[in-house]
Amino acid sequence: QVQLQESGPGLVKPSETLSLTCSVSGGSISSYYWTWIRQSPEKGLTWIGFIYSTGSTIYNPSLNGRVTISLDTSKNQISLRLTSVTAADTAVYYCARGFYGDYQDAWGQGTLVTVSS
Amino acid sequence: EAVMTQSPATLSVSPGESATLSCRASQSVTSNLAWYQHKPGQPPRLLIYGASTRATGIPARFSGSGSGTEFTLTISNLQSEDSAVYFCQQYNNRPPWTFGQGTKVEVK
Repeated sequence: QVQLQESGPGLVKPSETLSLTCSVSGGSISSYYWTWIRQSPEKGLTWIGFIYSTGSTIYNPSLNGRVTISLDTSKNQISLRLTSVTAADTAVYYCARGFYGDYQDAWGQGTLVTVSS
Repeated sequence: EAVMTQSPATLSVSPGESATLSCRASQSVTSNLAWYQHKPGQPPRLLIYGASTRATGIPARFSGSGSGTEFTLTISNLQSEDSAVYFCQQYNNRPPWTFGQGTKVEVK
């Protein structure tokens, strides 16, 4: 059974870049869509974007071009970069998998990222 | 993109009873709706996709219905392990997809 595990710094300073990694075990990242989603008390769940195993991406326009999602197939990992962060980017960040980029059939446990000086 | 509104915010039910959760879309999402269960400390779990199709391994106690703008998740014969937050997600047309704010179900 596939397992997803998010990792990365739990604290990021304002204006800096948030970088997270999702490590996939128990399955290949090929032929799936890999999505990042975040959850905060203020905004609830927000779809950030996804990448297909070919490398094609779609991002949420509300993040104003600050997002990059990438793949490392050799390591079975998916990465998220969010630039110029503010306190509004404080959230639990989840990675998730889907067959068609719509609903997600597997999720990680999530990792809390706090933006603060 | 559709705004998803769930009700009620919290639902308290007794074991063996049924629970009916609502998810409403601000515009039609046809049948492109999923339901998830989220317990503390665990990854969210896909329950329903396509508004009414149970995901692999999901008990028949969980059923989804609806189309367009009105959707329902019904949980029959509630058990203590069903205590969780349930949220809906629409994936109609094109991204960005959007989520409801969740309904917390307490079985006690």
